Formats: sequence, structure tokens, C-alpha cells
Amino acid sequence: AQSVTQLDSQVPVFEEAPVELRCNYSSSVSVYLFWYVQYPNQGLQLLLKYLSGSTLVKGINGFEAEFNKSQTSFHLRKPSVHISDTAEYFCAVSEAAGNNRKLIWGLGTSLAVNP
Amino acid sequence: EAQVTQNPRYLITVTGKKLTVTCSQNMNHEYMSWYRQDPGLGLRQIYYSMNVEVTDKGDVPEGYKVSRKEKRNFPLILESPSPNQTSLYFCASSLLANYGYTFGSGTRLTVV
Repeated sequence: AQSVTQLDSQVPVFEEAPVELRCNYSSSVSVYLFWYVQYPNQGLQLLLKYLSGSTLVKGINGFEAEFNKSQTSFHLRKPSVHISDTAEYFCAVSEAAGNNRKLIWGLGTSLAVNP
Repeated sequence: EAQVTQNPRYLITVTGKKLTVTCSQNMNHEYMSWYRQDPGLGLRQIYYSMNVEVTDKGDVPEGYKVSRKEKRNFPLILESPSPNQTSLYFCASSLLANYGYTFGSGTRLTVV
């Protein structure tokens, strides 16, 4: 069985500072990895995903994430955040084999960008 | 525009009064799913459907029903709502495992 741990429930940061949101996972099989963002009063939106190949993946809004297989991590980063990045961020995994689309979710990290 | 549409966005109801939350997608996705989101508990899957007439329980199916008579629609039915079903509900759809999900905007349900 898979599990996802988002290591920080809340991350406060000042505008234009860099940020890293941490995600660790456990799985006995190969996985796909996803980051989603949820802006206030909205649904979730896919930020980026890792399927295979290059371990550094780039997503929307200037975010990127790095897959580290040895550390079973998929941390999300942005070099300079804006006020508009204030949102809830969710890490998720699914099995890479077959067509099982069930996602296992982390509990989320609330990013608060302050002026 | 490719999207998942949920209705209503907000609903206040009384205990025991049957309700249906609708979900429709225009992307011809085979897979659809319902989640509830609660503070401190994250997203929990209620039911999912791999295709028309194929549905299965997720992690928290008690008190809910679903149906999938057409590919585009996946309604969530609460036959006898209770206050512990007060939550934010999301419908999502997916084409393939590596595509990720497209989510609806959510339905905030309050049962009094």
C-alpha cells in the first residue's frame, strides 16, 4: 500500500522569497507523482506531475519539483513566490503499472505568502 | 472549455432529506470519482467509476450512493443525510492514470 506524507502543514513565507514544500511517499511499486493546488473557494488544479524520465519537472506558475527515488521524495519548489501563490498544496501518488487511477493523497500544506 | 461541472455550489439541508449533487464532464473521460474534504483529514474518496455501469466503493462510502448511467454524468446521492456528512465535496474525472485528475469547483454541503 502507498502512503504520502506532507511534512509541513503550514508554511509562512514572505513575498519574493523562495519556498519548498516537502512531500515523502512510500510504495512497493513504481509510482506516478503529482502536485495539486487549491486556491481559496476553488477546486484542485494540477500543478505538475512526474511520470518517468528527467527527475526535475516543471509545472505551471513557475513551480518545479524534483523526484528523488532513493529518498522517496517529491518536493515542490518556487524560487520567488507571489501573494497570489497563497493556497493549499497537495501531493499525491498513484501506481504506475496498469490503469489504476486511484490517487493516494497527502493532507496538504497551507502556503501563506505575506507582503 | 474542458471542465467538470458540479451543482449546486452551496447547499444547506435538514437531516434525513434526500439530496443529489450532480457532476458532469465534457472530456469523454472514463474514470470519475467523488471526494469529500474535511479540515485535518484531507481528501477522502467516497466512490469511483471506471466506466458506464461500473462503480465501486472508495474509502468512506457509508451513507452515499452513486450511479453511472451515462459516461458524462456521475451524481452523488445522499438518501438520508446526517450532520456528519457536512463537508466540501469534489467530483473529479480522468482519462488515463498518468493524466491526473480534472476537478469540479466543489459543493459545500451543510446538514443541520
